[in-house]
Amino acid sequence: AQTVTQSQPEMSVQEAETVTLSCTYDTSESDYYLFWYKQPPSRQMILVIRQEAYKQQNATENRFSVNFQKAAKSFSLKISDSQLGDAAMYFCAYNGLRGNQFYFGTGTSLTVIP
Amino acid sequence: NAGVMQNPRHLVRRRGQEARLRCSPMKGHSHVYWYRQLPEEGLKFMVYLQKENIIDESGMPKERFSAEFPKEGPSILRIQQVVRGDSAAYFCASSPARGRTDTQYFGPGTRLTVL
Repeated sequence: AQTVTQSQPEMSVQEAETVTLSCTYDTSESDYYLFWYKQPPSRQMILVIRQEAYKQQNATENRFSVNFQKAAKSFSLKISDSQLGDAAMYFCAYNGLRGNQFYFGTGTSLTVIP
Repeated sequence: NAGVMQNPRHLVRRRGQEARLRCSPMKGHSHVYWYRQLPEEGLKFMVYLQKENIIDESGMPKERFSAEFPKEGPSILRIQQVVRGDSAAYFCASSPARGRTDTQYFGPGTRLTVL
């Protein structure tokens, strides 16, 4: 079974600075999708960014970018120019080819310090 | 274009009662997924349904839990004889009928509290 590991339960960053959240995963599949979701206090799950495993180029969405290392099975999220509204739980997720379910990590709680 | 709708947002039940959680997928989506989030944990898959069919229920507890997605109307997650351990946030997600199914769009969740 696929597993997703987020080894940083909590992180903090100064406003306007950059922070990187770590995620590793375990799979025997060669093609899959990886995601970062943000969960603010409202508990709504908001898609931040997605990466297709067959693409070597790292995905970027405005201030959010990933460092996808397929061989190392690593998928970190970089948030640049951090804003107060970025404070939330961040979940890394894996979706394999069958697409039946997402596998989520346990989350990283990000605090943004004014 | 409305997103995934879930209701109620908050549900309080006493032990032994039944809980019914509803999910309306995004327009044009016929794949529905249910997840449970226990306090301080990530989301855990429960069941995957298409219209009138359960495709994968490998994450569903064997007893008291059931799900359906009828031809008309929302998907329903039903928990019979609730216990305190069922207290959690339940999320529904949906994906399109055709084309890309890699991305799931989540609803706001239903927070179930069992007294």
